[in-house]
Amino acid sequence: DQQVKQNSPSLSVQEGRISILNCDYTNSMFDYFLWYKKYPAEGPTFLISISSIKDKNEDGRFTVFLNKSAKHLSLHIVPSQPGDSAVYFCAASSNAGNMLTFGGGTRLMVKP
Amino acid sequence: DSGVTQTPKHLITATGQRVTLRCSPRSGDLSVYWYQQSLDQGLQFLIQYYNGEERAKGNILERFSAQQFPDLHSELNLSSLELGDSALYFCASSVVYGVTEAFFGQGTRLTVV
Repeated sequence: DQQVKQNSPSLSVQEGRISILNCDYTNSMFDYFLWYKKYPAEGPTFLISISSIKDKNEDGRFTVFLNKSAKHLSLHIVPSQPGDSAVYFCAASSNAGNMLTFGGGTRLMVKP
Repeated sequence: DSGVTQTPKHLITATGQRVTLRCSPRSGDLSVYWYQQSLDQGLQFLIQYYNGEERAKGNILERFSAQQFPDLHSELNLSSLELGDSALYFCASSVVYGVTEAFFGQGTRLTVV
């Protein structure tokens, strides 16, 4: 039972355009959500997070939106750069939990 | 550099063998998590330790075990290895008991032949 799902395994975007990565979750106990970026041969690195008391969090070119009623979050990257090409994982945790539950990842390719 | 150190980076071993993966968390972090990533799939949570005690268990096989030592480093022991155990094993650490943001090591790539 996948509690966190990233339904798009890959996404290709032109440099300078917006990249939108989506994530759905099923566990209503999740109250904290994170995005991680992973380059080949490296561990995931934290990108941005959002608490369930918010619906938007912004950090530079990265914005995460949370729609609790739809159990959906998205990561917007504007403008996209070739260096953003990586695998992006969304993750979720609950206040009562001790672990991050990860989605399957979306491979983003930003073309120059 | 996340500050989390994993050794070895690569490991090749035969089926039926036993290996130990090591993780040193970031300075000051008390929580250590182990994750498995198989064949470009998502990260599967295995187990978490906090200040030496097991706190949460995920889909960890009985052939696998872990511990966290007084100096807070952790080891993941994999025994009776099978071909399907070939994967990337990541360790992550965080300062607090409940997860907010975890910092990952570079992983150990285990190949079972």
